[in-house]
Amino acid sequence: DGGITQSPKYLFRKEGQNVTLSCEQNLNHDAMYWYRQDPGQGLRLIYYSQIVNDFQKGDIAEGYSVSREKKESFPLTVTSAQKNPTAFYLCASTTDRNNEKLFFGSGTQLSVL
Amino acid sequence: GENVEQHPSTLSVQEGDSAVIKCTYSDSASNYFPWYKQELGKGPQLIIDIRSNVGEKKDQRIAVTLNKTAKHFSLHITETQPEDSAVYFCAASGNAGGTSYGKLTFGQGTILTVHP
Repeated sequence: DGGITQSPKYLFRKEGQNVTLSCEQNLNHDAMYWYRQDPGQGLRLIYYSQIVNDFQKGDIAEGYSVSREKKESFPLTVTSAQKNPTAFYLCASTTDRNNEKLFFGSGTQLSVL
Repeated sequence: GENVEQHPSTLSVQEGDSAVIKCTYSDSASNYFPWYKQELGKGPQLIIDIRSNVGEKKDQRIAVTLNKTAKHFSLHITETQPEDSAVYFCAASGNAGGTSYGKLTFGQGTILTVHP
C-alpha cells in the first residue's frame, strides 16, 4: 500500500539530547513537510522540502533540523536547542507544487523525560 | 502573513443533526481552502476543499461554502453520524510572493462529538 510512514509512534527525549523522527513515503511525491501540533492549536509548519537536497524553514524552524538526501525520506531532528519539544509531530507530502492536497502520516508523539 | 481563526473549538450534536464549523482568514490573496478530519491518534485527512472561484461545493453529506467578500468559509455536515466524531481543521493558502509555493495556514481545530 502507498502511504507515509512515521516512526516511532512515541518518543521520549532527555534533557540535552537530540532525537530524530523518521518519515518515509512511497507515493513518489516531490514535496514533503513537517508540522507540529499542540493541544488546542492548529498545525504549524516547521520545515518543508520541494525537491531532493533542498529544504526551507517554515514558521517555527528554530531548534529543529532536517535533511532530504532521498526523495522518499525527510527525517526531522529535534535538537537540544528546542526548549519545548513536547508535541505531536506530523509529516506530510504532496505531488502538488502549490502545497495543496497534503497526505499526512500518523504522527509521532514526542515527550520530554 | 495569513491568520486563520476557527470556531467553535468544541461542538456537540445529536446523531442526525447538522454541524457547522466556521473559519475566517485575513489574507485576501488566499485562494485555496481545504478541510481536514483528524481521528484520534491519526494524521489529518483531506475531506473537501474549495477554490476562490467557487462559492459552494458538496460531497454527499459534507459541503463547504466560501464568502470571499467577508473572508470566511464554513464546513457543513448533515445527518451526522457517530463516526463523524473527530477534530476538524480548516486551512487557507495562496501564492507566496509570486512563487509557486503556497503555504497552508491552519485554524485551531474543532472537536466534533456526535452522540448516538
